[in-house]
Amino acid sequence: SQQGEEDPQALSIQEGENATMNCSYKTSINNLQWYRQNSGRGLVHLILIRSNEREKHSGRLRVTLDTSKKSSSLLITASRAADTASYFCATDPSGNTPLVFGKGTRLSVIA
Amino acid sequence: DAEITQSPRHKITETGRQVTLACHQTWNHNNMFWYRQDLGHGLRLIHYSYGVQDTNKGEVSDGYSVSRSNTEDLPLTLESAASSQTSVYFCASSEGLGETQYFGPGTRLLVL
Repeated sequence: SQQGEEDPQALSIQEGENATMNCSYKTSINNLQWYRQNSGRGLVHLILIRSNEREKHSGRLRVTLDTSKKSSSLLITASRAADTASYFCATDPSGNTPLVFGKGTRLSVIA
Repeated sequence: DAEITQSPRHKITETGRQVTLACHQTWNHNNMFWYRQDLGHGLRLIHYSYGVQDTNKGEVSDGYSVSRSNTEDLPLTLESAASSQTSVYFCASSEGLGETQYFGPGTRLLVL
């Protein structure tokens, strides 16, 4: 069963706008990761945030983690057409188990 | 540069045939994973391995098997292909169990 659930399932914005995607999960985690998948390609790791961190930045990406609410958000600022992709959150559950991926958010950035 | 490759990239087979999908990584990672991706289901874990001679079942392992005879390779075998196994298959590897996973380009499998 999937632990991470992204919201919304799909998002369409204009180039230059900010895009926010959310991920909720159910159990304790060691870390939470965000991945991007371009159409027809494999997933690419974007950012990892550990359970003792609250916010992390990487270029135009900002990730927050609220362990009390069991949720995370991914913000892409000043979006570009090249940001069009599906975005997945993945949680590392406490214990000796693999990452659990959500179903993803499909982002469309319109030029 | 280290990489992870999958072959073939596209495969058409018939129901009942045995199919093997290859995955090869040069990261020297101990952990390797096989996923399938279907519309509406996201990524689902099929099998994974923590090292040579180690294999574990994932969420959707029925009808699939893997073997790990060396660090670099984790082939996925469909014992008797079924139409329900038509999907896109991704292989991934990671250094630590809960750490960043590096994905291959995927294999698109069609079972007729």
